[in-house]
Amino acid sequence: QAQLQESGPGLVKPSQTLSLTCSVSGGSISSGNNHWNWVRQPVGKGLEWIGRIYASGSAAYNPSLRSRVTISIDTSKNQFSLKLTSVTAADTAVYYCARANWFGKLLTFDAFDIWGQGTLVSVSS
Amino acid sequence: DIQMTQSPSSLSASVGDRVTITCRASQGISNHLNWYQHKAGKAPKLLIYGASNLQSGVPSRFSGSGSETDFTLTISSLQSDDFATYYCQQSFNTPGTTFGQGTKLEIK
Repeated sequence: QAQLQESGPGLVKPSQTLSLTCSVSGGSISSGNNHWNWVRQPVGKGLEWIGRIYASGSAAYNPSLRSRVTISIDTSKNQFSLKLTSVTAADTAVYYCARANWFGKLLTFDAFDIWGQGTLVSVSS
Repeated sequence: DIQMTQSPSSLSASVGDRVTITCRASQGISNHLNWYQHKAGKAPKLLIYGASNLQSGVPSRFSGSGSETDFTLTISSLQSDDFATYYCQQSFNTPGTTFGQGTKLEIK
């Protein structure tokens, strides 16, 4: 069973860049047709999808964050990463990485079946 | 963007109760609807995919139903371990996906 673990600074200054890495263990990031996602949860609020990437490097982003987000993947290290530029206090949140897998007889349903424990990133001077 | 609206936002119930949470999509999403359970400080857990399919290892007291715009998650007999926040998620307009705002299930 694959496991995911987020890592990165817990404190970022306003206007700077938030950088996080998700390390995948117990399975290859390149196997299957999984896609690898970042999701965040501001304190006291719900879950917000940030974006996703396939092992091929094909990425997609939440339109509300697209201008500030880059997700990349390093298959040799079995990791994928998030960069969010020009952060403000509104970007303070618990950040999760998650694997999306395909389900159903025809593999038509994708859902996030494995998640990291999450890491709190605070934006403050 | 497809908006997902859950109701109620919070719910108080007792062990043994039958509980239903509703999720409504702003447009038809067929049955591309997932449900998650989230406990504070823990990773969210996939319960249901494709509106009604129980994820492996999830107790059978959880069930899901619905299609297009209206969906429900039902817990047939609440256990103490079930008190958590529940989220629906649409996976219809990939690559984008959106979550409902969550339903917090509390002990009465």
